[in-house]
Amino acid sequence: QVQLQESGPGLVKPSETLSLTCTVSGDSISTFYWSWIRQPVGKGLEWIGRIHTSGTTNYNPSLKSRVTMSLDTSKNQFSLQLSSVTAADTAVYYCARVPNWDYFDYWGQGTLVTVSS
Amino acid sequence: QSALTQPPSASGSPGQSVTISCTGTRSDVGGYNYVSWYQQYPGKAPKLIIYEVSERPSGVPDRFSGSKSGNTASLTVSGLQAEDEADYYCCSYGGSNNWVFGGGTKVTVL
Repeated sequence: QVQLQESGPGLVKPSETLSLTCTVSGDSISTFYWSWIRQPVGKGLEWIGRIHTSGTTNYNPSLKSRVTMSLDTSKNQFSLQLSSVTAADTAVYYCARVPNWDYFDYWGQGTLVTVSS
Repeated sequence: QSALTQPPSASGSPGQSVTISCTGTRSDVGGYNYVSWYQQYPGKAPKLIIYEVSERPSGVPDRFSGSKSGNTASLTVSGLQAEDEADYYCCSYGGSNNWVFGGGTKVTVL
């Protein structure tokens, strides 16, 4: 059974960097792509980006200048950093597995990150 | 890249069918057979129910079906059940290694 679990601070100050980690169990991150998706409360989903086991990354053009993703294969984790955050970045952040390049089959439960001073 | 367009809401009585549209452009929905659909209950993570336009993952009831015509993809839920009341999101490959979601549709079972 593949499981993903997001972790990280629930509160980040404006202009600072949001950092989240996704821990994967039941599968190795040395396969497939792995993605981050967010959802402002009461609103729709937004794809943030993805990282391949090779380390190759692709980011949403609207966030590209502020996003960095990385892998830690020794811990079976992948991470998201979003810099210079504002209130507009307040959302539930999900990590997800991308098994065949084009869809998201396993999701974490999500973690709410609030940007506020 | 703009979000795909979905109707905010749809409804049907138990046993009926409801179809949700997802309209994009030839740069996303119309250009690729990489449309997926997700079901989301309040406070829960989305769940994949359709991928690559019309493929169903193992365990998803065959009441859920997907199709595409031109720049519009559709999700049909046949034989509506109370448990189908949820939000539904479409997602499409948008070219240049980018993915775009729809705004979501709330399905109500009357």
